[in-house]
Amino acid sequence: AQTVTQSQPEMSVQEAETVTLSCTYDTSENNYYLFWYKQPPSRQMILVIRQEAYKQQNATENRFSVNFQKAAKSFSLKISDSQLGDTAMYFCAFYRWGAQKLVFGQGTRLTINP
Amino acid sequence: EAGVVQSPRYKIIEKKQPVAFWCNPISGHNTLYWYRQNLGQGPELLIRYENEEAVDDSQLPKDRFSAERLKGVDSTLKIQPAELGDSAVYLCASSLRAGGTDTQYFGPGTRLTVL
Repeated sequence: AQTVTQSQPEMSVQEAETVTLSCTYDTSENNYYLFWYKQPPSRQMILVIRQEAYKQQNATENRFSVNFQKAAKSFSLKISDSQLGDTAMYFCAFYRWGAQKLVFGQGTRLTINP
Repeated sequence: EAGVVQSPRYKIIEKKQPVAFWCNPISGHNTLYWYRQNLGQGPELLIRYENEEAVDDSQLPKDRFSAERLKGVDSTLKIQPAELGDSAVYLCASSLRAGGTDTQYFGPGTRLTVL
């Protein structure tokens, strides 16, 4: 079974700083997807970024980018120029096409301070 | 485009009472998921529908939980009777399977408190 580990329960940075959230996963599969979701206090789970395992190029979405290391089974999220609105729980998730379900990590609570 | 809609947003009940949650997925999405999120943890899948068919309900506690998705659109998740341990956030998500992608979009969830 796939497992996803987020080793940082909480992080806190100042506004405008860059922050990196860590995620590792365990799988024997070769074809899969990885996601980062953001969950603010409103509870709405919002998609931040997606990475296909077969792509070597790291995904980017505006201020959000990932460092995908397939051999190391590592998938970190970098947030540049952090903003107060980035304050939320961040979940890393693994998706294997055959299983067709997301397996989530425990989450990292990120606080952006003014 | 409207997102995934869920109701109610909050529900407080006493143990042994029944409760139901409703979900309306994004228009055109054929796959619908129900997740349960316990406090301080990531969501865990309860059941997945492909159109009207429940294709993965292996994690659904079938002695007290039931779900349906009539006409392949809206879905209802029911708990009867509720137990204290059922207190959690229940999230609905939907997706459109196209090629190799299956990005799931979530609703705001229902926070259930069982007293």
